Amino acid sequence: DTEVTQTPKHLVMGMTNKKSLKCEQHMGHRAMYWYKQKAKKPPELMFVYSYEKLSINESVPSRFSPECPNSSLLNLHLHALQPEDSALYLCASSQDLSTGILYEQYFGPGTRLTVT
Amino acid sequence: DAKTTQPTSMDCAEGRAANLPCNHSTISGNEYVYWYRQIHSQGPQYIIHGLKNNETNEMASLIITEDRKSSTLILPHATLRDTAVYYCIVRVAQSSSQGAQKLVFGQGTRLTINP
Repeated sequence: DTEVTQTPKHLVMGMTNKKSLKCEQHMGHRAMYWYKQKAKKPPELMFVYSYEKLSINESVPSRFSPECPNSSLLNLHLHALQPEDSALYLCASSQDLSTGILYEQYFGPGTRLTVT
Repeated sequence: DAKTTQPTSMDCAEGRAANLPCNHSTISGNEYVYWYRQIHSQGPQYIIHGLKNNETNEMASLIITEDRKSSTLILPHATLRDTAVYYCIVRVAQSSSQGAQKLVFGQGTRLTINP
């Protein structure tokens, strides 16, 4: 199984709502990532988790709150978002970041978020 | 990570080889060249990577110049399903470093395969 799944596929939320995006992988990967992609732009890294610990936060606003409850799951909690946060949110995973070997990242299909 | 430069768009006829160039003139000795692609409405997909030797897998070939300042991704027999944005990324080799944990995507090349 080389699949990263993301739910929901689409999400529409108001600026006062609280919602969560979910990402799951069953490849035994110990590194997981969140990226944000605006229309017609390349993906931009938001967060990196390694062994369930936050490794990188690319100065993301606190209205985005990541969580890695176990090695297979990655959540992104959303609260008080702005319309400019509307984008495709991509999750990815890779085998390991601690062995010195560089592994490719596997991406999910993304959640298309619209903030109204 | 070193910056990469790619053409904004390219066209290729179905069945022909698609050659996608990438310049990375400031690449360091410990940096790999990675290629990913993103088909419309999907997440990026890993294609291939290399350090200094040419590489080939079931999807593509990667040709890296001897000075490592540029590379070419070759799709040998392009099909309509190869229409996508192709990203060339330079990435440091030590996975424990924070730099290696990031994939920094440039603007990529929008490749259109025509019937």
